[in-house]
Amino acid sequence: QLQLQESGPGLVKPSETLSLSCTVAGGSISSSSHYWGWIRQPPGKGLEWIGSIHYSGSTQYNPSLKSRVTISVDTSKNQFSLKLSSVTAADTAVYYCARVISGWSYLDFWGQGTLVTVSS
Amino acid sequence: DIQMTQSPSSLSASVGDSVTITCRASQSISSSLNWYQQKPGKAPKLLIYAASSLQSAVPSRFSGSGSGTVFILTIIGLQPEDFATYYCQQSYSTLYTFGQGTKLEV
Repeated sequence: QLQLQESGPGLVKPSETLSLSCTVAGGSISSSSHYWGWIRQPPGKGLEWIGSIHYSGSTQYNPSLKSRVTISVDTSKNQFSLKLSSVTAADTAVYYCARVISGWSYLDFWGQGTLVTVSS
Repeated sequence: DIQMTQSPSSLSASVGDSVTITCRASQSISSSLNWYQQKPGKAPKLLIYAASSLQSAVPSRFSGSGSGTVFILTIIGLQPEDFATYYCQQSYSTLYTFGQGTKLEV
């Protein structure tokens, strides 16, 4: 059974960079049939797509965040990562990583999520 | 961006009832529509993909229908574990967008 696990600091100061990693267990990140994505959910609110990456390095980003987001992949560690720069309180959210099925692009496996708070 | 609008935003029901949740897209998205269930403090769980395909291990009381701009999630015979928030998600454009959610309450 595939498992995804987010990791990273739970508290980030305003104007700094949020950095999270997602470790994939029980399967290979180097699959041509899948992308690997990041989604966030502010407390009490809905879901927002951040972006995704293929093991080849191909990326897609939400245009509203594109200037601040970088998603990368490390196939040797079976991990992918998210960096979000110049954070503000509006970036406080639970951040999820997920597997995206190529083609129909649905998210079939999710990490448990990690709360990141932006505060000084 | 393709906007996704769910109705209702909240819904009260009882165990054994049947309910429907509607998701409307701001433009045609063919059958590129997925449904998720989220319980408090948990990650969303995929229920339905490609508008009407049931994800593995999801009970058959869940079903999805629709194409184009209007989609429906139906739950027949609600069970206690079904009380949760439901989200639709379009995957027609590379900027995936979610509906605002429908909270199903007792």
